[in-house]
Amino acid sequence: GEDVEQSLFLSVREGDSSVINCTYTDSSSTYLYWYKQEPGAGLQLLTYIFSNMDMKQDQRLTVLLNKKDKHLSLRIADTQTGDSAIYFCAEKSSGSARQLTFGSGTQLTVLP
Amino acid sequence: DAGITQSPRYKITETGRQVTLMCHQTWSHSYMFWYRQDLGHGLRLIYYSAAADITDKGEVPDGYVVSRSKTENFPLTLESATRSQTSVYFCASSESGGTYEQYFGPGTRLTVT
Repeated sequence: GEDVEQSLFLSVREGDSSVINCTYTDSSSTYLYWYKQEPGAGLQLLTYIFSNMDMKQDQRLTVLLNKKDKHLSLRIADTQTGDSAIYFCAEKSSGSARQLTFGSGTQLTVLP
Repeated sequence: DAGITQSPRYKITETGRQVTLMCHQTWSHSYMFWYRQDLGHGLRLIYYSAAADITDKGEVPDGYVVSRSKTENFPLTLESATRSQTSVYFCASSESGGTYEQYFGPGTRLTVT
C-alpha cells in the first residue's frame, strides 16, 4: 500500500530556515499536504500542492515537489519559536475515495 | 464558527467497558473520519463516512463501531475497551469535491486501565 515517510526530528536556530522533508511511494498521488500539530491540539492544515505543480509559496512557507523522485519538502523561512510543533506530510491517492495517508510526523524544535 | 468539536477531551476507562467518543461538525461536510494517533505510527484511519448512513472501514477498524444517523455527528464506540486502545483519537471532516483537505478536531485522549 501507499507509504509516506518523514524524519522524526529537526532542530533549528531561531531566524534560520527550516526544511522538513517527506517521501512517498504512490505515483498516483494527486494532492500532497502539510499539517502542523501543536502540543495538545489537533492537526491544522498549513498548505497543499497539486501534483502537477513544482512549487507553491505562501508567506513564509515554500513547498517543493519533485514528482519524479516522489519527494516533498516544506521550507519555513525565518523560523520562530512559535513554529515549534510536529509537522505531518500527507498524500491523497487517485485510487482512494477521500482517504489521506499520513507520515509519522517531524518534531521541529526551534532553539533560541 | 464552532467548526469541529470532540467530547470528551480526556477519558479514563477500564478494560472491558464500553465507551463512546463524540464528534460534531458545523460545516455540513459530507465526509467524516476517525483516526488514532500513536507514537511511531503517525495517524491511522479507523473508519470513515461519506454521508449519513454510509460508513466504511479504514486501516485499523477492529474493536471499533461507528454510526452516522445525522450529517453533523459521527460517534466512535469502543464496545469492550482494551489497553491497546489507549491512544489519542482525532475526528476530521472534509467537504465533497474540492481539494480533499481534511479539517481536524482537537482530539480525545483515551486511557484504558
